[in-house]
Amino acid sequence: QKEVEQNSGPLSVPEGAIASLNCTYSDRGSQSFFWYRQYSGKSPELIMFIYSNGDKEDGRFTAQLNKASQYVSLLIRDSQPSDSATYLCAVRRNFNKFYFGSGTKLNVKP
Amino acid sequence: EAGVAQSPRYKIIEKRQSVAFWCNPISGHATLYWYQQILGQGPKLLIQFQNNGVVDDSQLPKDRFSAERLKGVDSTLKIQPAKLEDSAVYLCASSFSQPYEQYFGPGTRLTVT
Repeated sequence: QKEVEQNSGPLSVPEGAIASLNCTYSDRGSQSFFWYRQYSGKSPELIMFIYSNGDKEDGRFTAQLNKASQYVSLLIRDSQPSDSATYLCAVRRNFNKFYFGSGTKLNVKP
Repeated sequence: EAGVAQSPRYKIIEKRQSVAFWCNPISGHATLYWYQQILGQGPKLLIQFQNNGVVDDSQLPKDRFSAERLKGVDSTLKIQPAKLEDSAVYLCASSFSQPYEQYFGPGTRLTVT
């Protein structure tokens, strides 16, 4: 079982729609959760992080965490073609061990 | 604020040769990470430093890979000898001890022929 699992996609949404990206993790002791965006040929760029159950909003982005279900999601409202990228979910476990998922490719169609 | 610096950006070597990568983290970041990212996969942590001490190197192939961070600032990752399967992008990231958000450098794309 992988530490962090993501659907590889591609997820295609029309411009202006809400994109929903999901991530599950295996270790209940995981403490922090991060979303990164990675454009093709570029390095990952931090979008946001979440520690507590519930929602956290930052502009057009909302991260949702459900520790009981071991589930993290990222919602992108009013999706733009410039949001087309691979989105990586990362998890911090005990002793500051980090694990990344393989990413979900998002295509936003104009 | 300057970001994470890495060099070289690209490197092509033949198998069995050696190669070294350099990383300079964001000023004040105590934690430094080296990741390997193979095309189509997420980054895999190779080694994590806290200042100049190793926190985690459980996924570092120690028979061929080595890394050091002697003065608790910049770091070098070495591969000797390289194998074809080492072809990947090597990413360096840094963070404060808390709250742990990592910031990545531009990466080094290694091709082993």
